[in-house]
Amino acid sequence: KQEVTQIPAALSVPEGENLVLNCSFTDSAIYNLQWFRQDPGKGLTSLLLIQSSQREQTSGRLNASLDKSSGRSTLYIAASQPGDSATYLCAVVSYNFNKFYFGSGTKLNVKP
Amino acid sequence: DAGVIQSPRHEVTEMGQEVTLRCKPISGHNSLFWYRQTMMRGLELLIYFNNNVPIDDSGMPEDRFSAKMPNASFSTLKIQPSEPRDSAVYFCASSYGASGGTDTQYFGPGTRLTVL
Repeated sequence: KQEVTQIPAALSVPEGENLVLNCSFTDSAIYNLQWFRQDPGKGLTSLLLIQSSQREQTSGRLNASLDKSSGRSTLYIAASQPGDSATYLCAVVSYNFNKFYFGSGTKLNVKP
Repeated sequence: DAGVIQSPRHEVTEMGQEVTLRCKPISGHNSLFWYRQTMMRGLELLIYFNNNVPIDDSGMPEDRFSAKMPNASFSTLKIQPSEPRDSAVYFCASSYGASGGTDTQYFGPGTRLTVL
């Protein structure tokens, strides 16, 4: 069974800092990896989806990378803002299992 | 499009009662997913449908849980009888695509269930 781990569990940074969130997975045979954002009391919002054939995806200040061989992905947030405060989850779709496995998330707090 | 719609948004019930959660996916999406989120276990996939057919229900915790998708625009998740340990936020999500997780999923706002 695929296992997805996110480190750190929580992160607090001052506004303006660049930061990296980490996601690791145990089964490297994947369809894709997706990063989500969850605000308190809300559902999940998709941020970036990286297909297994891709190495990275970018959207605005966000950049996600994927290294299948090492079972890792990173989400880079440039010039963080208080509005970025949320929980960030990564999810992996395994080739063998064809369904999503979620990490437990990183709770980010960006201080003004 | 209004996005994925879930109802009710909040549900408080007593142990032993039947609970029905409802979901309307985004029009044109082929796959629908039910998730449960708790502090202890995080986000768990319960079941997903493709073209109204249940494909994988291995995440359904026990026989008290059942899900149906009678047509492309509606799905229900039923718990009967409910227990306090079922208290959680239940999310519905939908996506394009012929198989479970190959495309971006769009989540509804969730139903917060409290079983007393």
